[in-house]
Amino acid sequence: RKEVEQDPGPFNVPEGATVAFNCTYSNSASQSFFWYRQDCRKEPKLLMSVYSSGNEDGRFTAQLNRASQYISLLIRDSKLSDSATYLCVVTWAGTYKYIFGTGTRLKVLA
Amino acid sequence: GAGVSQSPSNKVTEKGKDVELRCDPISGHTALYWYRQSLGQGLEFLIYFQGNSAPDKSGLPSDRFSAERTGGSVSTLTIQRTQQEDSAVYLCASSLGGGGGYTFGSGTRLTVV
Repeated sequence: RKEVEQDPGPFNVPEGATVAFNCTYSNSASQSFFWYRQDCRKEPKLLMSVYSSGNEDGRFTAQLNRASQYISLLIRDSKLSDSATYLCVVTWAGTYKYIFGTGTRLKVLA
Repeated sequence: GAGVSQSPSNKVTEKGKDVELRCDPISGHTALYWYRQSLGQGLEFLIYFQGNSAPDKSGLPSDRFSAERTGGSVSTLTIQRTQQEDSAVYLCASSLGGGGGYTFGSGTRLTVV
């Protein structure tokens, strides 16, 4: 089993739609969780951290479910500019080394 | 600097040659990381430096790969006797080391021909 697993997609959604991605992780001792966004041929950029209590940033909501070992990202009112690959990131306790998922590709269609 | 700077941005080299990739992290960031990303693939961890601690080299794929970080700042990733499978984008990132998010550089695209 991979350490961090994501559905590669692509998720093709119309503008204005709500879309959600999940990411599962194998190490129950995982400590920190993030979502990164990567545009084509660009470097990944931090989208948001994921806290145990869940967190929201505008149209984006991230949640953590430790019992089932997954994190989620919800995007409301999708924009064309949201088209990108979304990378799930997990760190293990005692290290700051990031373990990346292979990403979920989102295409928002006009 | 304001961001993580990597050089060169592109490098084409012949199989068997050595290459050096450079990373200049954000000033004050104690942690520095190297990853590589092959076409259509996820990010593969290579090596991690944290302050004066011994680096975590667990991700280096072979002994042809080495990295150093001088003075706690600039880092150089060296690949000796390059092979075609080394072709990838090599990404450097830095962080404050307290578990906060990484900031990535724009990467070096290495092509081995």
